[in-house]
Amino acid sequence: KAGVTQTPRYLIKTRGQQVTLSCSPISGHRSVSWYQQTPGQGLQFLFEYFSETQRNKGNFPGRFSGRQFSNSRSEMNVSTLELGDSALYLCASSFIGVAGSSEAFFGQGTRLTVV
Amino acid sequence: ILNVEQSPQSLHVQEGDSTNFTCSFPSSNFYALHWYRWETAKSPEALFVMTLNGDEKKKGRISATLNTKEGYSYLYIKGSQPEDSATYLCAFANSGNTPLVFGKGTRLSVIA
Repeated sequence: KAGVTQTPRYLIKTRGQQVTLSCSPISGHRSVSWYQQTPGQGLQFLFEYFSETQRNKGNFPGRFSGRQFSNSRSEMNVSTLELGDSALYLCASSFIGVAGSSEAFFGQGTRLTVV
Repeated sequence: ILNVEQSPQSLHVQEGDSTNFTCSFPSSNFYALHWYRWETAKSPEALFVMTLNGDEKKKGRISATLNTKEGYSYLYIKGSQPEDSATYLCAFANSGNTPLVFGKGTRLSVIA
């Protein structure tokens, strides 16, 4: 079956702009989680959506937001970009939620560079 | 704030060597421990999901053990091969409703 698809793969934006990243989960998976990875840091949890509802939120400023559609596809938006937002953004899908005994399936990520 | 520590940060071994890494997590309120392998330019891929104290899981030359009472898990690779070169991540959950907390990973390089 098709894996988790993230688009775009690479993105360059200017400080102050906003950006939208997309994640299409594996068919049948209702949970989508987003993570940020910066050099020297582990995967930092941004938020999780389950059946179109935000179920968990990490410790990120309000500039980071997301949503999930009825087909489980999810988008993440970052407004007023800062240089420190440059990172690899990964999404992961699972059937019931990545926190439990259900393994997470990751996309290849979107590499965002803010200049 | 939950803290998940992985050691060592990086490791270089010769082909054929066996090796192991450690993941330390809070010993209270354990729910699940995940191991992922992340090869360069690819997506992280699940190796094991462990939920019971004393659990031992194996996939080919890779195995993992879990001690929830003392808060650690070991990942073992027997007879390392160059294709085992990757970053190995562990992730901890203290309930079924909270997100996974990831360690920073152990980067393994296997030299042929």
